[in-house]
Amino acid sequence: QQKVQQSPESLIVPEGGMASLNCTSSDRNVDYFWWYRQHSGKSPKMLMSIFSNGEKEEGRFTVHLNKASLHTSLHIRDSQPSDSALYLCAASSPITGNTGKLIFGLGTTLQVQP
Amino acid sequence: EAAVTQSPRSKVAVTGGKVTLSCHQTNNHDYMYWYRQDTGHGLRLIHYSYVADSTEKGDIPDGYKASRPSQENFSLILELASLSQTAVYFCASSGTANSDYTFGSGTRLLVI
Repeated sequence: QQKVQQSPESLIVPEGGMASLNCTSSDRNVDYFWWYRQHSGKSPKMLMSIFSNGEKEEGRFTVHLNKASLHTSLHIRDSQPSDSALYLCAASSPITGNTGKLIFGLGTTLQVQP
Repeated sequence: EAAVTQSPRSKVAVTGGKVTLSCHQTNNHDYMYWYRQDTGHGLRLIHYSYVADSTEKGDIPDGYKASRPSQENFSLILELASLSQTAVYFCASSGTANSDYTFGSGTRLLVI
């Protein structure tokens, strides 16, 4: 079973709409989450990271974290066709020590329709 | 500009052959990683290294070896390539653990 689970598997939103992506870890030791965006045929690029309860906003992107439930969500407002990509959630745990290991989910494929 | 460069960009290998994937970083990072990406499995960690001349096993190390001869270079070696190793391979580097993760552009490997 994936230790980092993402939903939905795929999502279609209209241009200008709001996209909401979810990620949950089943590993109680996880303490840090990242969100990556990967355009087709390209490498993953980090969007945002979060380790404190609450919300973090950068431009059109907002990330929420609930540490009690180990649930994070990424919200993209005013979605653009260029936002169409695979969105990956990753988590790390202090139990792995200073290894830099990230556990990735399978991703959510976002399609923004003009 | 600091970067992670992988070579080759793509490769076709025959079953049972030896394959070496190379990675070079100019980020001055201590940590380097090899991941593979497959549909249905996402990104999975194969090997990683936090110092030159030392490598560690990741989550799926079987069938792979790694070599870190210098801070800048990290190679992934498939001694006997198998069909199941067809995938896209990404190298990455980071500074202090979990920070400034930078991925290379990937190597698309097809084993026939």
